[in-house]
Amino acid sequence: DTEVTQTPKHLVMGMTNKKSLKCEQHMGHRAMYWYKQKAKKPPELMFVYSYEKLSINESVPSRFSPECPNSSLLNLHLHALQPEDSALYLCASTQAVTLNNEQFFGPGTRLTVL
Amino acid sequence: GEDVEQSLFLSVREGDSSVINCTYTDSSSTYLYWYKQEPGAGLQLLTYIFSNMDMKQDQRLTVLLNKKDKHLSLRIADTQTGDSAIYFCAERGQAGTALIFGKGTTLSVSS
Repeated sequence: DTEVTQTPKHLVMGMTNKKSLKCEQHMGHRAMYWYKQKAKKPPELMFVYSYEKLSINESVPSRFSPECPNSSLLNLHLHALQPEDSALYLCASTQAVTLNNEQFFGPGTRLTVL
Repeated sequence: GEDVEQSLFLSVREGDSSVINCTYTDSSSTYLYWYKQEPGAGLQLLTYIFSNMDMKQDQRLTVLLNKKDKHLSLRIADTQTGDSAIYFCAERGQAGTALIFGKGTTLSVSS
């Protein structure tokens, strides 16, 4: 199983809503990532978890709150988002946070904030 | 800082070869990657090359690496309409954590 799954595929939310994005992998990977991708742009790193601990936060606003409940799951909790936060949110995983690992991406959640 | 540059567009006819080019700045990069992204989809890892290699071939894909010039290319032989997508070149940053992506090359294949 070399798959990273993400739910939901699409999400529409208002600026006062609270929602969560979910990511799951069963490859035994111990590093998981959240990226944000705007249309026609490359993915931008948001967070990195290594062994269920947050190791990198790329100065992401606090309205995005990541959580890694176990080694297979990664969540992104959303609250009070802005319309400019509308984007494709990609989850990825690697065996570990080192130089020589393939990074597998999920299909993404397309988020629209009204 | 680390930077990855790619040309933005490439248009080819079906059956021709496509060559997508990429330059990077981080000479300590050990792995360089090519990802494909179809409209509305996530990123699919196509291939990667280790920095001590000059070339890697995988079916219709050939990756060439010129480490001296920090130049990476992806050649797709016998390009098909299904190859139409955005192709991202990426390197692993100095911290060894997340990938640094180029802006992506949109490949358009006409029949």
